[in-house]
Amino acid sequence: GAVVSQHPSRVICKSGTSVKIECRSLDFQATTMFWYRQFPKQSLMLMATSNEGSKATYEQGVEKDKFLINHASLTLSTLTVTSAHPEDSSFYICSARDSQGAAGNTIYFGEGSWLTVV
Amino acid sequence: QQQVKQSPQSLIVQKGGISIINCAYENTAFDYFPWYQQFPGKGPALLIAIRPDVSEKKEGRFTISFNKSAKQFSLHIMDSQPGDSATYFCAASYSGNTPLVFGKGTRLSVIA
Repeated sequence: GAVVSQHPSRVICKSGTSVKIECRSLDFQATTMFWYRQFPKQSLMLMATSNEGSKATYEQGVEKDKFLINHASLTLSTLTVTSAHPEDSSFYICSARDSQGAAGNTIYFGEGSWLTVV
Repeated sequence: QQQVKQSPQSLIVQKGGISIINCAYENTAFDYFPWYQQFPGKGPALLIAIRPDVSEKKEGRFTISFNKSAKQFSLHIMDSQPGDSATYFCAASYSGNTPLVFGKGTRLSVIA
């Protein structure tokens, strides 16, 4: 199946610094990518929808100035957590929509990135 | 408003048994219903998906049953194995660049 690569898988940063997480679709072009946050033993919480070449659409309650999303190409979206604080520590997961694949309009997930803010 | 309701929250099945997880949705515009398997510390992996024009889809030991009139769909795992122990999420979406709506997940434990 299609592969979505997410990097880094784990990152530790100091409070007040920024950290960038990359999400790449490796064998398909993704005009739309999604970013999620997941707390332990809970479901995925959608943060934003990222469309190539346009501004991301953020879910209610998600600070767009804190969680900067860029989707500059059809295979890459980035999430930058700015001025990180310990409460931003979480598991962040991206997903990408493959609208051209044989199965049609299938969404694949990356392996997630653990962010720890100390 | 929870658009996709998943049950049970947790499930324990004997090795070799059948695991059944159910989901119900509200939005009749949904036209894509995937199931994802997630192991601890990993991202969700697409397991199997179905569209409303079919009532059942089978891939290996995994089967989705879909009931459009009842707005329900379920995942059946035949001959469940300890390696199937994971959290399973049902989801739904509709055409276009819309995100998936997830159920709350089911933690499956398959015991020998």
